[in-house]
Amino acid sequence: GAVVSQHPSRVICKSGTSVKIECRSLDFQATTMFWYRQFPKQSLMLMATSNEGSKATYEQGVEKDKFLINHASLTLSTLTVTSAHPEDSSFYICSATQDGGYGYTFGSGTRLTVV
Amino acid sequence: AQTVTQSQPEMSVQEAETVTLSCTYDTSESDYYLFWYKQPPSRQMILVIRQEAYKQQNATENRFSVNFQKAAKSFSLKISDSQLGDAAMYFCAYLWGAQKLVFGQGTRLTINP
Repeated sequence: GAVVSQHPSRVICKSGTSVKIECRSLDFQATTMFWYRQFPKQSLMLMATSNEGSKATYEQGVEKDKFLINHASLTLSTLTVTSAHPEDSSFYICSATQDGGYGYTFGSGTRLTVV
Repeated sequence: AQTVTQSQPEMSVQEAETVTLSCTYDTSESDYYLFWYKQPPSRQMILVIRQEAYKQQNATENRFSVNFQKAAKSFSLKISDSQLGDAAMYFCAYLWGAQKLVFGQGTRLTINP
């Protein structure tokens, strides 16, 4: 089945630094990938849609200058949290699909802690 | 805008019993997809079952089945013979066209041994 790999699984960074999270589709090409943020005991909140070779589409209220998304190839999308602050601490999840109707495959998530 | 509502924040069931999780959604579209995803403590999202709106037959995957009522815009998940490994957050989700998934708020399922 389709596999999406997400790294790192956990990261701790100092306030003011930047952190990059990678999302790779291992056995299929994903023209579109999605980035979510999940707060404890809550649902997934879509942050942005990442399209290969073009600019990401951000959801309302998401700071595009803080959450930089790059989809450089059909198998790799990256999310960079710039100038991270403690309020950016959260669980970030990526997903991808070959054919949306068959469901989306999710990465295992990244727990970001900003100290 | 499409919305998905899960009215049961928490549910519990005895091991080996049957439990039904509720989900309703709002859409003006006629052709779409519905999903149930499971998120165990590891937080890995796992696809449990999918339903195509144009198919009247309810989807079934082993112990998991759905009751899809298109007119009522209802999409409940039934888990039979509940097992300890079924304990997780369950999210109902809607997809139309090639657009983004819309998730419900989730239902935390506890299995009592």
